Amino acid sequence: NAGVTQTPKFQVLKTGQSMTLQCAQDMNHEYMSWYRQDPGMGLRLIHYSVGAGITDQGEVPNGYNVSRSTTEDFPLRLLSAAPSQTSVYFCASSYLQGTEAFFGQGTRLTVV
Amino acid sequence: DAKTTQPPSMDCAEGRAANLPCNHSTISGNEYVYWYRQIHSQGPQYIIHGLKNNETNEMASLIITEDRKSSTLILPHATLRDTAVYYCIVRVGSSNTGKLIFGQGTTLQVKP
Repeated sequence: NAGVTQTPKFQVLKTGQSMTLQCAQDMNHEYMSWYRQDPGMGLRLIHYSVGAGITDQGEVPNGYNVSRSTTEDFPLRLLSAAPSQTSVYFCASSYLQGTEAFFGQGTRLTVV
Repeated sequence: DAKTTQPPSMDCAEGRAANLPCNHSTISGNEYVYWYRQIHSQGPQYIIHGLKNNETNEMASLIITEDRKSSTLILPHATLRDTAVYYCIVRVGSSNTGKLIFGQGTTLQVKP
């Protein structure tokens, strides 16, 4: 049972490049979400999903796309990276009726 | 979801109890109080949650005032490994159909 796995752990992108941050969980959780954390700040919700085929926007969705084709995977896509997207990204999952969210170890993204 | 207010930082001596306060004066009757912590930029970790009764688990105790406008997280015997940022969050319901909204949190420094 690996929990929530994020790849890659570190990434440097040039402005305008695209990439996908991967998130996978093996706990059969319905709920998955993406957060970003900027230096000295708390986490801010980007997008979330309550099940396969269902996604919705969080607090800061602009510049990011998501899809949920399987229960296990919830990738986050940056279509055209900008320096303002330099941040640490966390993926989380939980049961819809559960009380505890499980977080991955984060992806540290730098856009130059 | 109701807004929370936490002190930005606190110190605690190793082996002593750490008492972390949280103000949530606008909390509604169906909102729960959650605590998470984040150790050294790792993914956040669930600690405890409650509605109106005091709660205790293997990690901590949660004391909620009778009017529910504030709460205190208690780490009974703080260790150096408890040094982290602690987040108090209020949200509707105990399930994960809602969103976790993180504030700035309290940085707890446990000192030898």
